[in-house]
Amino acid sequence: GQSLEQPSEVTAVEGAIVQINCTYQTSGFYGLSWYQQHDGGAPTFLSYNALDGLEETGRFSSFLSRSDSYGYLLLQELQMKDSASYFCAVRDIGGAAGNKLTFGGGTRVLVKP
Amino acid sequence: DAGVTQSPTHLIKTRGQQVTLRCSPKSGHDTVSWYQQALGQGPQFIFQYYEEEERQRGNFPDRFSGHQFPNYSSELNVNALLLGDSALYLCASSLRGTSGTDTQYFGPGTRLTVL
Repeated sequence: GQSLEQPSEVTAVEGAIVQINCTYQTSGFYGLSWYQQHDGGAPTFLSYNALDGLEETGRFSSFLSRSDSYGYLLLQELQMKDSASYFCAVRDIGGAAGNKLTFGGGTRVLVKP
Repeated sequence: DAGVTQSPTHLIKTRGQQVTLRCSPKSGHDTVSWYQQALGQGPQFIFQYYEEEERQRGNFPDRFSGHQFPNYSSELNVNALLLGDSALYLCASSLRGTSGTDTQYFGPGTRLTVL
């Protein structure tokens, strides 16, 4: 089966840097995604890593180490609007077979003034 | 460019009843996936539809069924509702065969409450 572990909650102040770790165990692996979800809202795509290394998109960066079955999301220059839940998700089947996502339990990030 | 839309936004049912939820994918997308999200948890994959057929299925009982129409829209049906079916039901759309990214676009969800 598949399982993903991430911390349940992180608290930080505005302007700080937060790193959300994600470790996974899957029978197949085609990439690690990160989604943001505000309370009452839909998950929105943040980033995707298929290969080892760092992907940077503005204030957010995501890292993957396939050999360690580990990834992280880095939130820099935290803003109040970044208060949300963040989910890592694994795609365990590739190509025409589909792109089912298995999600972690989510990390609730609370940004304080 | 219309995003993923779902209806209804909220729904209240009683145990044993049946419910149908609807989803229209983002323009240009041909694949629809359904997820169930309990409060405080991550979304759980129910199934995925492509070319009007169920292609993948998660660990959900047969009470959960679906359909995809020629215009790519989709329905999720749940029979014999249980209290534990209370959750946010999310629809996600994507374009089959896209590589290099894994973006799925989620709709706002339908909040189902079973009493």
